[in-house]
Amino acid sequence: NAGVMQNPRHLVRRRGQEARLRCSPMKGHSHVYWYRQLPEEGLKFMVYLQKENIIDESGMPKERFSAEFPKEGPSILRIQQVVRGDSAAYFCASSPGTGAYGYTFGSGTRLTVV
Amino acid sequence: AQSVTQPDIHITVSEGASLELRCNYSYGATPYLFWYVQSPGQGLQLLLKYFSGDTLVQGIKGFEAEFKRSQSSFNLRKPSVHWSDAAEYFCAALKGGTSYGKLTFGQGTILTVHP
Repeated sequence: NAGVMQNPRHLVRRRGQEARLRCSPMKGHSHVYWYRQLPEEGLKFMVYLQKENIIDESGMPKERFSAEFPKEGPSILRIQQVVRGDSAAYFCASSPGTGAYGYTFGSGTRLTVV
Repeated sequence: AQSVTQPDIHITVSEGASLELRCNYSYGATPYLFWYVQSPGQGLQLLLKYFSGDTLVQGIKGFEAEFKRSQSSFNLRKPSVHWSDAAEYFCAALKGGTSYGKLTFGQGTILTVHP
């Protein structure tokens, strides 16, 4: 039973390019969360999605960032026109239900903007 | 505002020594509480969690944590540290009874273990 799969593990983008980060939740999990970890900081909530629905995007920057969790396929976190400040580790977590069920985290995607 | 504080950014202990990592929370009501461990370049692994009931919670890898409502704390302990415990530890909280999970993390504590 595979865990939460994130790819790529490492992603290098030049300023102005687009970054697409993918997250496949654990089998049977229908709730997906994205967190960002900036250097020297803890994880910050970005967005919570269920299949085809964004439930809470209060942690997403207002511009350039978007997320989706389609009916089929992985959840995608998209960052358009990346800037150096977007360099961070992006973690995806999934759960079978609401918060109290607990979360399983992926290994993260480390984005470097050059 | 809801927050989680880990007062110690970096802790160093000798192998075999006991360990206590501090965590304080600020929530309107008792939240659900978690401790995660992150090894370099890896994701987060859940060590233990507290929802209600017994205030002393046992976790994996020999860790335990004690919930103290009067001190708004959820400190992580281990009686004898192993070199493999060197990692970064995060305390996290989730609003109790919430309909969904938006974890608030502390800043993390980096644990170094000396031989």
